[in-house]
Amino acid sequence: NAGVMQNPRHLVRRRGQEARLRCSPMKGHSHVYWYRQLPEEGLKFMVYLQKENIIDESGMPKERFSAEFPKEGPSILRIQQVVRGDSAAYFCASSQVGDTQYFGPGTRLTVL
Amino acid sequence: AQTVTQSQPEMSVQEAETVTLSCTYDTSENNYYLFWYKQPPSRQMILVIRQEAYKQQNATENRFSVNFQKAAKSFSLKISDSQLGDTAMYFCAFMARKTSYDKVIFGPGTSLSVIP
Repeated sequence: NAGVMQNPRHLVRRRGQEARLRCSPMKGHSHVYWYRQLPEEGLKFMVYLQKENIIDESGMPKERFSAEFPKEGPSILRIQQVVRGDSAAYFCASSQVGDTQYFGPGTRLTVL
Repeated sequence: AQTVTQSQPEMSVQEAETVTLSCTYDTSENNYYLFWYKQPPSRQMILVIRQEAYKQQNATENRFSVNFQKAAKSFSLKISDSQLGDTAMYFCAFMARKTSYDKVIFGPGTSLSVIP
């Protein structure tokens, strides 16, 4: 049973470009969560999605950030017009409803 | 709102010795999970151990065990026979147990170094 998959593992963007981060949940999991880890800090919740629905986006910045989890394919976290402050590790986790979340390896975004 | 506190930013332990990492939390929920996650230099988040609040028995996983004190809202992690591969950041985390879901709240982490 493959774990949570994230790609790319490392992403470099210049200021103003778009970043797209992908997450494929564990088999059998229909709940996906995105977290951000700034340097030297713990993980902070961004958004929770089920298939085709955003359930809770209370941790996501109001501008430039969006997330989706389509009926087919991986969940996507999109950051438009990236700035240096977006440089961080972005983790995806998946779970069955109300159960333990299992994390992917993360995507490290560097904005030049 | 729930909060998780880890008061030890850094700790070190000699190889083969035992170390205890502290964690306290604040919540008004009665039914919840507590977790310890390990983040080695590879940055992968690895679940170490899980405790369900309604269980009085402390969880154990091989060399890892917890001391769960519900009334005191304390959840410490004990690592026995420390190994070099235990060197990592350790995050304590809380999740309310609901029929729907709740987000995981993480503490700030404790950096553990195992010294040969």
